[in-house]
Amino acid sequence: KAGVTQTPRYLIKTRGQQVTLSCSPISGHRSVSWYQQTPGQGLQFLFEYFSETQRNKGNFPGRFSGRQFSNSRSEMNVSTLELGDSALYLCASSLGGGQDTEAFFGQGTRLTVV
Amino acid sequence: AQTVTQSQPEMSVQEAETVTLSCTYDTSESDYYLFWYKQPPSRQMILVIRQEAYKQQNATENRFSVNFQKAAKSFSLKISDSQLGDAAMYFCAYRSAMAAGNKLTFGGGTRVLVKP
Repeated sequence: KAGVTQTPRYLIKTRGQQVTLSCSPISGHRSVSWYQQTPGQGLQFLFEYFSETQRNKGNFPGRFSGRQFSNSRSEMNVSTLELGDSALYLCASSLGGGQDTEAFFGQGTRLTVV
Repeated sequence: AQTVTQSQPEMSVQEAETVTLSCTYDTSESDYYLFWYKQPPSRQMILVIRQEAYKQQNATENRFSVNFQKAAKSFSLKISDSQLGDAAMYFCAYRSAMAAGNKLTFGGGTRVLVKP
C-alpha cells in the first residue's frame, strides 16, 4: 500500500510570506502528526490531528496552524515566515486507535526561508 | 513533561561488528512505549524497534535488540553484525500510553558511521 506522501518536497519562501504543506496519510489511518526538524532544536512535535480535530499541540507560536480533512489528509500552514522557520517538516500517520503504537513517516518537506 | 536524552552525538563501527547506542528518558508515567527510529540520508524516518514499558522482555528485530532498564529509565539499542546500510541518524523516542494521541518525544539523535 502507498506510504505517507508529503508535498511539496522542497520549498523556498521569502520572510513574511505564508506557506502551506500537505500530508496524505496511509489509507485507513486517521491520525496525522507534524514535526519540525532543525539542526539546533532537533525533532519537535507541532500538533496532531485525529478525525478532523486537533488532539495534541506542541509549544509553537500561533503562526503555526493545521487542519485535517474528512479523507484524513492534513495541511500545515505557517504564516509570516521567519528565517528560523527553515527546517525539515515531517508528517507521521497512524491508525489513531487506543492500542495503536506505530507511526509511519513521510519523506518530509524541506522549507527554506530567505 | 517527558524528556529523552541521547548522550552520543556520533558513533563509529566497523562493518560486521557491534555498536550500542544509549538513550535515557525521564517520565513520571508508569505505562509508555519506547522506540528507535532510523533516519537515512533520504530523510524518511523508519521504525527500527519498539518496546512496551509493561513488558520486561527486551524487544529484538533481527540484528537489532534493546536493553530496557525501566528502573534506570534507560533504553539502549544494539546493532549486531553492522552493515553499510545501517549508516544513518538514530533517534530514541517516547510515547505515553496514558494520554490520548500519538505524540512522540525524541532525543537529539546519534549518527552512526559504518566503516568498510
